[in-house]
Amino acid sequence: QVQLVESGGGVVQPGRSLRLSCAASGFTFRSYSMHWVRQAPGKGLEWVAVSSYDGSNKYYADSVKGRFTISRDNSKNTLYLQMNSLRAEDTAVYYCSRDKGYGDYPTNWFDSWGQGTLVTVSS
Amino acid sequence: EIVLTQSPATLSLSPGERATLSCRASQSVSYDLAWYQQKPGQAPRLLIYDASSRATAIPARISGSGSGTDFTLTISSLEPEDFAVYYCQNGRFPLTFGGGTKVEIK
Repeated sequence: QVQLVESGGGVVQPGRSLRLSCAASGFTFRSYSMHWVRQAPGKGLEWVAVSSYDGSNKYYADSVKGRFTISRDNSKNTLYLQMNSLRAEDTAVYYCSRDKGYGDYPTNWFDSWGQGTLVTVSS
Repeated sequence: EIVLTQSPATLSLSPGERATLSCRASQSVSYDLAWYQQKPGQAPRLLIYDASSRATAIPARISGSGSGTDFTLTISSLEPEDFAVYYCQNGRFPLTFGGGTKVEIK
């Protein structure tokens, strides 16, 4: 079965950096677009970024553009989110999720999710 | 950016009752809309995509309808496991979510 396991969260000071990882198993990782979605404590969901199956196309929410970078290593079945210049408003649980589409036909629907990793930005 | 407005914010119902949740988009998204369910301490779960297609293993009592700017998620007869928060999501970049509707036990 599909399994997504996020790691790398923690407490970080404003302005510093953090890299999240998402280890995937149970499916052909290299064939799927992958997303990061976040949820601030007690708040709703916010889409962050997406990488196409081969890493050639990436899109970001305006709130993180220029600060966050999504990447993937298909040889390691792992998705990453490099977060720089962190702000208090980036505090959230970060979920890794799989796109429902396959290969060249992403759908922008999230059909599998990890359990999330908490990032707290605080001095 | 497409803004999704969900109503009501909270729906208080009893098991067996019908739940009707609304999601309105600030501009047309055609059929590019999905619905998710989230329970406390859990990740969201995809229920409906393409406005009305049920995701894998989603029971028939849960259905989606609508197009353009107005969408509805209907749960025909609430089961105990249906009490949760529901989010709609637009499928056009930048991807956005509605603020959520909490379905609570009356």
